[in-house]
Amino acid sequence: KAGVTQTPRYLIKTRGQQVTLSCSPISGHRSVSWYQQTPGQGLQFLFEYFSETQRNKGNFPGRFSGRQFSNSRSEMNVSTLELGDSALYLCASSFLADHLYNEQFFGPGTRLTVL
Amino acid sequence: GENVEQHPSTLSVQEGDSAVIKCTYSDSASNYFPWYKQELGKGPQLIIDIRSNVGEKKDQRIAVTLNKTAKHFSLHITETQPEDSAVYFCAASKEGYSTLTFGKGTMLLVSP
Repeated sequence: KAGVTQTPRYLIKTRGQQVTLSCSPISGHRSVSWYQQTPGQGLQFLFEYFSETQRNKGNFPGRFSGRQFSNSRSEMNVSTLELGDSALYLCASSFLADHLYNEQFFGPGTRLTVL
Repeated sequence: GENVEQHPSTLSVQEGDSAVIKCTYSDSASNYFPWYKQELGKGPQLIIDIRSNVGEKKDQRIAVTLNKTAKHFSLHITETQPEDSAVYFCAASKEGYSTLTFGKGTMLLVSP
């Protein structure tokens, strides 16, 4: 089974621009979560999508948004980029069936640099 | 919300020694505790997890213990090898919720 894939792997943007990152979950997984990883703050939860609906949201400003498509692929968008948005953005997928399995499997991440 | 503390932040051991990483959590409702290994340039890899209905779980050279009363859990790696060198993260969650709260990570260095 293929793992979680994320595109692009690396991205350089300038302040004020916007960016869209993509995530394809493991086949059959319906839940996709996004995390931001920085040296100072560590791994922080951004949001989770399940069946095209945002189910949980972390403590990030409204500039961070996401969506999920009917094939479970997900995108996240950051508008009006700030220097502090430079980070590794990680996507994780989970099967999350009714019996509450919630092991999450991470992709390799997208390294975003804001200049 | 949940808060997870992880210690130590760095750990250096000789090949063949054991390594122990400890985490505490604050939310007594948390009942799922995974551990991840992250190598340079890669995403976190799930290496073992434990649910609150068990106190210990083993998988070859790694084991995790959980003390619900004290709200702490630990990762034990025996017979360490240089390829175990990486950053290890503990996390806490509630079953049925995908929101993981992570510790700050432990950089493990295993010297040959």
